[in-house]
Amino acid sequence: NAGVMQNPRHLVRRRGQEARLRCSPMKGHSHVYWYRQLPEEGLKFMVYLQKENIIDESGMPKERFSAEFPKEGPSILRIQQVVRGDSAAYFCASSGQDYNEQFFGPGTRLTVL
Amino acid sequence: GESVGLHLPTLSVQEGDNSIINCAYSNSASDYFIWYKQESGKGPQFIIDIRSNMDKRQGQRVTVLLNKTVKHLSLQIAATQPGDSAVYFCAEKGSRGGADGLTFGKGTHLIIQP
Repeated sequence: NAGVMQNPRHLVRRRGQEARLRCSPMKGHSHVYWYRQLPEEGLKFMVYLQKENIIDESGMPKERFSAEFPKEGPSILRIQQVVRGDSAAYFCASSGQDYNEQFFGPGTRLTVL
Repeated sequence: GESVGLHLPTLSVQEGDNSIINCAYSNSASDYFIWYKQESGKGPQFIIDIRSNMDKRQGQRVTVLLNKTVKHLSLQIAATQPGDSAVYFCAEKGSRGGADGLTFGKGTHLIIQP
């Protein structure tokens, strides 16, 4: 039973480019959460999605960031016109019926040059 | 500011000893707490959780204690092993007005000395 999968594991972008991070939740899970972690920091909540719906995006910057979780396929976190401050580890988590327990993926480490 | 925080950034213990990692939270409305373990280069791994209607919960070699009076959470690890070396985060849900995103503390780096 595969866990939460994220790809790519490492992503390098130059300033101004776009970054697309993908997350496949655990089988049977319909709740997806995205978090950002800066070095030596805890994780910061960004957005919570269910299939085809954004439930809470209060932790996501209003500009350049967007997220989706389509009916088919993985959840996507998209960062447009990346800046150096976007460099961080981005983690996805999923939960199922017992929606309190969140299982995390291995993360995508984004480096902006 | 942070609603969940840690008392110590680094904790060093001898292999085989017990360790206690502490966490303070500020929102009395928080109703669910979790401890995660994060090894270098990996995602957080669930260790144990506790709901606000409990004050203690035990797992395999781990115990979580919740003191709602002083808003304090602790993780006890018995008979520590080298594999316990990691950063430990407390997280809570319920302080964000009902949304389901977790609020994390900054973490304690547990170092197991041989």
